[in-house]
Amino acid sequence: DAGVTQSPTHLIKTRGQQVTLRCSPKSGHDTVSWYQQALGQGPQFIFQYYEEEERQRGNFPDRFSGHQFPNYSSELNVNALLLGDSALYLCASSPGGVGNQPQHFGDGTRLSIL
Amino acid sequence: QKEVEQDPGPLSVPEGAIVSLNCTYSNSAFQYFMWYRQYSRKGPELLMYTYSSGNKEDGRFTAQVDKSSKYISLFIRDSQPSDSATYLCASTGTASKLTFGTGTRLQVTL
Repeated sequence: DAGVTQSPTHLIKTRGQQVTLRCSPKSGHDTVSWYQQALGQGPQFIFQYYEEEERQRGNFPDRFSGHQFPNYSSELNVNALLLGDSALYLCASSPGGVGNQPQHFGDGTRLSIL
Repeated sequence: QKEVEQDPGPLSVPEGAIVSLNCTYSNSAFQYFMWYRQYSRKGPELLMYTYSSGNKEDGRFTAQVDKSSKYISLFIRDSQPSDSATYLCASTGTASKLTFGTGTRLQVTL
């Protein structure tokens, strides 16, 4: 049973560029959340997708956008990259439905901005 | 003030010791509490998931939540070198956005 998978594992970009990160949720999960983890910090919530709609959003600018596909996989897009966007980007999935369900994380995409 | 506060450590203990990891939180709406373990260059791995106050045990791990004092603890018995990792506490309310602490780096020495 595959867990949460993310691609690519590493990415190097320059300031001003755009990037797309991808996530496939754990089997049976239909809700995908994205987090940003800076070095030495805990993950910070970016947004969550359910039924192909953004359900919740954290305190991140509009440069951060996402999408969820009918097969529940998801993409995170970041435009106009800044040096401060360098971080580990984590995807977490959980089953939808009533009540709060535990989130399971992938190993992340490490994004470096030069 | 951060909604979830956690001592970043590092915390160094000898093999076999009992480890106590702690967090405090400020948001009274938090009802669900989690502990994740994160190895270097890996994603967080869910260790414990609890609802409201009380204790929950799973093998060598015990999670404790005291909502009256807004205090979250994780105890690790008979610690092993393989337990060396960063431990993240997280909380959430009825919504599913997780709020994390900074993480505590634990080193278990031989």
